[in-house]
Amino acid sequence: KAGVTQTPRYLIKTRGQQVTLSCSPISGHRSVSWYQQTPGQGLQFLFEYFSETQRNKGNFPGRFSGRQFSNSRSEMNVSTLELGDSALYLCASSARGPDEKLFFGSGTQLSVL
Amino acid sequence: QKEVEQDPGPLSVPEGAIVSLNCTYSNSAFQYFMWYRQYSRKGPELLMYTYSSGNKEDGRFTAQVDKSSKYISLFIRDSQPSDSATYLCAMSESNYQLIWGAGTKLIIKP
Repeated sequence: KAGVTQTPRYLIKTRGQQVTLSCSPISGHRSVSWYQQTPGQGLQFLFEYFSETQRNKGNFPGRFSGRQFSNSRSEMNVSTLELGDSALYLCASSARGPDEKLFFGSGTQLSVL
Repeated sequence: QKEVEQDPGPLSVPEGAIVSLNCTYSNSAFQYFMWYRQYSRKGPELLMYTYSSGNKEDGRFTAQVDKSSKYISLFIRDSQPSDSATYLCAMSESNYQLIWGAGTKLIIKP
């Protein structure tokens, strides 16, 4: 069974640009969560989608948005990038929700210059 | 004060030692407690999952939850160099949102 796939693995952008990250969950999983990981802050919850609906949202500005498609694949978009957005962005999937076992992808390392 | 506190380390121990990793939390409503292991340049993977209080054992790993003290622990017996990683605790009420510790970096010296 294929794991969670995130693309791209690495991304370099400049301030003011926008970026779209992609996540393909494990087959059959309907819940996809996104996290931002930085050395000082640990994992910060961005949002969770279930069956194409955003079910939960963390405390991030509106520049961070996401969506989920009918095949459960999910995308995350960050507009007007800031230096502080440099981080590892992780996607996790589960069958029903984040309070059960989460399966993580290897993440997208975003660097904003 | 953060909802979940975890010492970032690094914690360095010799191979074969017993390792104790800990998290404290402030929200008494947390019911689900998890430990994840994260290797460099990889996503976290679930090690232990505990509901409410008590102990859970899986091979060399034991998870303990003390809700009265708002304290959870992960013990690793007979530690191996391959256990070197960052260990993250996570917990939640039943609202589908996990709250994470910052992670403890563990180094097992051969």
